[in-house]
Amino acid sequence: EAGVTQFPSHSVIEKGQTVTLRCDPISGHDNLYWYRRVMGKEIKFLLHFVKESKQDESGMPNNRFLAERTGGTYSTLKVQPAELEDSGVYFCASSQSGLGSIQYFGAGTRLSVL
Amino acid sequence: QKEVEQDPGPLSVPEGAIVSLNCTYSNSAFQYFMWYRQYSRKGPELLMYTYSSGNKEDGRFTAQVDKSSKYISLFIRDSQPSDSATYLCAMATGRRALTFGSGTRLQVQP
Repeated sequence: EAGVTQFPSHSVIEKGQTVTLRCDPISGHDNLYWYRRVMGKEIKFLLHFVKESKQDESGMPNNRFLAERTGGTYSTLKVQPAELEDSGVYFCASSQSGLGSIQYFGAGTRLSVL
Repeated sequence: QKEVEQDPGPLSVPEGAIVSLNCTYSNSAFQYFMWYRQYSRKGPELLMYTYSSGNKEDGRFTAQVDKSSKYISLFIRDSQPSDSATYLCAMATGRRALTFGSGTRLQVQP
């Protein structure tokens, strides 16, 4: 069974550009989460989807970040326009319905904003 | 003050040693406790999961939770060089968002 996959693995963009990160959860997992780790800090929660609905977006830093999960399958996280402080590793995780705390993570997308 | 405190290490031990990794937390609402292992340039890999005080064992790994002291531990017996990684504790309340510690880097010397 395929795990959580994220694309791209690494993205280098200039300040002010737009970047879109993609996450494919484990098949059948209704819950999908985005997390971020910036340099020297711990992994922080960004938001949580249940199927296609945003259940909790309390961790989103500002309105430059837009997450979608069309059809309750894969999810995208768009950063527009990117700022230097957005650099870090963005992780996606998924979990089964009813087992929300048992989350399986992807390898992450390393975003570098220059 | 961070909700979850974890010593960043690095922790260096000889092969075969017993390793003890710890986290303390301040939020008494945490109900679920996880340990993840993360190799360099990889995503966190779920090792152990528990939701009650006490011990849970899985092979060479034992997770211990003491809710009264707000303290959790992960013990690794007969440590191997392949155990060298960063170990992250994570916790959750009834909400699903995980709160992570900063991670402890472990190096097992052959």
